[in-house]
Amino acid sequence: DQQVKQNSPSLSVQEGRISILNCDYTNSMFDYFLWYKKYPAEGPTFLISISSIKDKNEDGRFTVFLNKSAKHLSLHIVPSQPGDSAVYFCAASARFGSSNTGKLIFGQGTTLQVKP
Amino acid sequence: DAGVTQSPTHLIKTRGQQVTLRCSPKSGHDTVSWYQQALGQGPQFIFQYYEEEERQRGNFPDRFSGHQFPNYSSELNVNALLLGDSALYLCASSLDLRGPRATGELFFGEGSRLTVL
Repeated sequence: DQQVKQNSPSLSVQEGRISILNCDYTNSMFDYFLWYKKYPAEGPTFLISISSIKDKNEDGRFTVFLNKSAKHLSLHIVPSQPGDSAVYFCAASARFGSSNTGKLIFGQGTTLQVKP
Repeated sequence: DAGVTQSPTHLIKTRGQQVTLRCSPKSGHDTVSWYQQALGQGPQFIFQYYEEEERQRGNFPDRFSGHQFPNYSSELNVNALLLGDSALYLCASSLDLRGPRATGELFFGEGSRLTVL
């Protein structure tokens, strides 16, 4: 069962515009969510995270929004830059009291292309 | 400060063979997790080691085994290789994800690309 889903395999946006990447999850025990970025031939690198006690976390051009009732989170990149072109993975964990405690469950990834 | 290092970066094996992948965690980290990333998929959790013991395991057969050494480095072993084991194997290190200093963030190495022919 896919507990974390990224339903859009790819996204293409123009430089300077907003990129919105979406992620859905099914397990209500998840209480911590992360976004990772991956370039070819490199390992995933941490981008931004959000705890379930918040609904928004911002870091520079990157903002993550969490809607717990809908079990949905999104990553906004504003403005988008060509260097942002990469695969973005959503991940979730449950820090306490769950079989998922201590591990990250990843979505399938969304490939973002930012065109100059 | 060296990050997570993995070796080898690429390797080719044939069906039925055995492979060992190695990982050195980021300095100060005590927990190592291994993930398998098949083409076009997200990383899938294999197992996690803390204090030299396997603490968590994903849905992988017993052909997949591991070890953590006193210096926190780790090995992933896969026996009786199948074609379907071809993937990028990622090692990630962190502080104890259940501990008080946990941030939930994993630091990944560049991975070991395994091709099984």
